[in-house]
Amino acid sequence: EVQLVESGGGLVQPGGSLRLSCAASGFTFSSYEVNWVRQAPGKGLEWVSYMSSSTGRTIYYADSVKGRFTISRDNAKNSLYLQMNSLRAEDTAVYYCALGAYSGYDFGYWGQGTLVTVSS
Amino acid sequence: QSALTQPASVSGSPGQSITISCTGTSSDVGGYNYVSWYQQHPGKAPKLMIYDVSNRPSGVPDRFSGSKSGNTASLTISGLQAEDEADYYCSSYTSSSTRVFGGGTKLTVL
Repeated sequence: EVQLVESGGGLVQPGGSLRLSCAASGFTFSSYEVNWVRQAPGKGLEWVSYMSSSTGRTIYYADSVKGRFTISRDNAKNSLYLQMNSLRAEDTAVYYCALGAYSGYDFGYWGQGTLVTVSS
Repeated sequence: QSALTQPASVSGSPGQSITISCTGTSSDVGGYNYVSWYQQHPGKAPKLMIYDVSNRPSGVPDRFSGSKSGNTASLTISGLQAEDEADYYCSSYTSSSTRVFGGGTKLTVL
């Protein structure tokens, strides 16, 4: 069974940093393209970042996080990460890891999400 | 990276059909056959319902179908059921190799 479990969320002050993790199990993690998607409280979904499968050589970011967030993966640990620096109040959201399960352009598998709150 | 345009809400009675539109540009929806649709119930993670415009993952009822014409994609739900009441989001690949979501549509089953 495919399982994605996010962790690392919490309360952080503006300007602070946080590292999110997504632990994958039940499938060959290295074969899948991966994404981070977030959802602010009461708002819609926002795509955050993408990393290609295998070596993860191809990376893209939303303009809203470019230069502040860094996506990475460790295939040996079946894990995806999101390093978030210079956090702002508007980064407050539930962060989901999502895999491109079918064509790679979809978000076929989702974790349950982890809440990040940026507030003083 | 402007969000795709979806109606804020749609409604229908059990057994009826509804269609949710998702309008973008030639740089996203119109330029690629990589539109997908997601269903999200309150407090839950989104669930993939349609990928690559019109393909259904295994386990998704065939009451759900997708299509595209020009810069607008559509999700149609036929034989509406109470459990279909949820928020629905479209997503598209873009010419910048990024992804973009629609603002979401709240479906109410009357």
